[in-house]
Amino acid sequence: QVQLQESGPGLVKPSETLSLTCSVSGASMSSYYWSWIRQSPGQGLEWIGYMYYSGTTNYNPSLKSRVTMSVDTSKKQFSLKLRSVTAADTAVYYCARGRWLGGHFDSWGQGTLVTVSS
Amino acid sequence: QSVLTQPPSVSGAPGQRVTISCTGSGSNIGAGYDVHWYQQVLGKAPKVLIYGNNKRPSGVPDRFSGSKSDTSASLAITGLQAEDEADYYCQSYDSSLSDWVFGGGTKLTVL
Repeated sequence: QVQLQESGPGLVKPSETLSLTCSVSGASMSSYYWSWIRQSPGQGLEWIGYMYYSGTTNYNPSLKSRVTMSVDTSKKQFSLKLRSVTAADTAVYYCARGRWLGGHFDSWGQGTLVTVSS
Repeated sequence: QSVLTQPPSVSGAPGQRVTISCTGSGSNIGAGYDVHWYQQVLGKAPKVLIYGNNKRPSGVPDRFSGSKSDTSASLAITGLQAEDEADYYCQSYDSSLSDWVFGGGTKLTVL
């Protein structure tokens, strides 16, 4: 059974870069869309972007200028970098596995709260 | 403002049936993309309830069902139980945005 686990700093200063890693266990990374999704306090879900196992990426247009995703299949990890963060980027960040383009997210990490504050 | 529109809240008494709607447009649900539904209990990660419009993953009770028509979809919950109290989100894909898109979420209260 696939398991995902997010890791990274829980506190980031404004204007700095948020960096998170998702570790995958129990399944191959091949043929899936590895995504990041966030949820601001009391708000709904926002898809940030995906990294296909081959390295292809696609980002939410509203965040595209600040987002970079990468994958290391040998370590079974994929990462998120979000630059120039503000308080509006404070959220619980989830990594999730997408089954196919437009498909559902069948496995999720537990989520990690990232607070942007000085 | 979410691309997919859901009612902010619904409620029902134990044993009753409730439905949650998800309205999209011609570039997402109306374009033929599948709709998926998630349940999020307070403080937990979302869990898929329905995928591919009307399919249930193993372990999800058959009290939960999904349907889709034109530019909208619905999640129905029958035999409402206290444990069903949670937030529910619909999700699809939008071809004009090239994005996965979510509804704004619906809070289900079991009276």
